[in-house]
Amino acid sequence: EADIYQTPRYLVIGTGKKITLECSQTMGHDKMYWYQQDPGMELHLIHYSYGVNSTEKGDLSSESTVSRIRTEHFPLTLESARPSHTSQYLCASSSPGQGMSKNIQYFGAGTRLSVL
Amino acid sequence: LAKTTQPISMDSYEGQEVNITCSHNNIATNDYITWYQQFPSQGPRFIIQGYKTKVTNEVASLFIPADRKSSTLSLPRVSLSDTAVYYCLVEKGYSTLTFGKGTMLLVSP
Repeated sequence: EADIYQTPRYLVIGTGKKITLECSQTMGHDKMYWYQQDPGMELHLIHYSYGVNSTEKGDLSSESTVSRIRTEHFPLTLESARPSHTSQYLCASSSPGQGMSKNIQYFGAGTRLSVL
Repeated sequence: LAKTTQPISMDSYEGQEVNITCSHNNIATNDYITWYQQFPSQGPRFIIQGYKTKVTNEVASLFIPADRKSSTLSLPRVSLSDTAVYYCLVEKGYSTLTFGKGTMLLVSP
C-alpha cells in the first residue's frame, strides 16, 4: 500500500478565506501531482512537480498555487476561496519506476472542499 | 499523448468475467498501457500495467495484441465491490497522465 496522506478529508469554508490543503508522501517519490475532480466527472491535472523547488501548471487552469520545499510535502493553497472552487482535490505521487513498472501514480484519499 | 477510447459504461452480474476494451490507435513505441480503478470519493488505484502480450496479477489480466492498438482488461468473477470507474491510460514512462472519462462498471447481484 502506498503511503500518501491528505488533510483535511473534508473542509467547509466561507468565501474569501485562505486555505491550504496538505499532501505528504513517505515513499521518497520525486514527482507529485494535484488533480481536481467534480462528482462523476473526469480528473483534471492542475499542478505537478518534478522534485524540490519544481512546480508546473497542469492541463486545467487553476487559481490555486503549490510549493515544493521538501520532497515529501506538496501543499496546495487558495488565497481567497470562492464557491467555484468547490470540488474534490486529489494528490498523487510517482517514481520513474523500475523494469516494467512505469510511472505508477499513488493517490491520497482526497480533500472534499465546499466553499459557501 | 496517445488518446484512448473506452465504453462509457458496462453492466455485469456477480461471478461473471468482465472484459473492458480500450482503443489506442496512435500508441507510440515507448508507451505503456496502465489501468486504474476508482471508487466514489476516493483517488484512483493502480490495477495493472503492460507493454505487450499478456500480463496477469492477483486482481486482473491485461491482454495486448501484437499491434498494440487496443488492450483488454479482464476481471475474473466480479463481485459487487468491483463496481467502480476503470480508466485506461497510455503514456510514456514518467510523464503526466490524462485520465479521460473511464468506464463505469456496475455489478449487480
